[in-house]
Amino acid sequence: EDQVTQSPEALRLQEGESSSLNCSYTVSGLRGLFWYRQDPGKGPEFLFTLYSAGEEKEKERLKATLTKKESFLHITAPKPEDSATYLCAVNTGANSKLTFGKGITLSVRP
Amino acid sequence: DAGVTQSPTHLIKTRGQQVTLRCSPISGHKSVSWYQQVLGQGPQFIFQYYEKEERGRGNFPDRFSARQFPNYSSELNVNALLLGDSALYLCASSSGDMGALGNQPQHFGDGTRLSIL
Repeated sequence: EDQVTQSPEALRLQEGESSSLNCSYTVSGLRGLFWYRQDPGKGPEFLFTLYSAGEEKEKERLKATLTKKESFLHITAPKPEDSATYLCAVNTGANSKLTFGKGITLSVRP
Repeated sequence: DAGVTQSPTHLIKTRGQQVTLRCSPISGHKSVSWYQQVLGQGPQFIFQYYEKEERGRGNFPDRFSARQFPNYSSELNVNALLLGDSALYLCASSSGDMGALGNQPQHFGDGTRLSIL
């Protein structure tokens, strides 16, 4: 069975303090790994798709990377508006579904 | 362009009742998926429909059913509601079949918050 584990569960940063969020996965055949951002009371907002080891994607202060067993979401010089829950999901094609991790709640203090 | 729209935004039901949730995908998207998200957890897959056919089903009881219409909108039905069905129900759309094209992103609506009393 596909498994996605995210760590840490929660992360508190000072504004400007860079850090990384981890997503490790155990799947039979990865077709795509996705990062989403979710604000309270809202649906997940798509950030990145990665599908091959070594791939990297960037958007503003966020950079996502992928290896054969895990993905990292690097946040450079975060701002309070980056505070949200970050979700990682994998698609293996089986049953046409995304399998999500539990998410990482990020709080950035001014 | 409009994103994925869901209705209603909030719903309160009692145990044993039935509920229908509605979803309109992004224009041009033919695939709709449904997820259940309980507090503190990631979304859990319920169904995927592509071109009006069921393409995937998650580990949910038969009380859960769905369908997709010719205009690609979708409904999720839940019968005989239980307290444990209280959750945020999310709809997501993508342009292709998630099983065939696995690296296509799904785009989510803001969900329907269902509370069971």
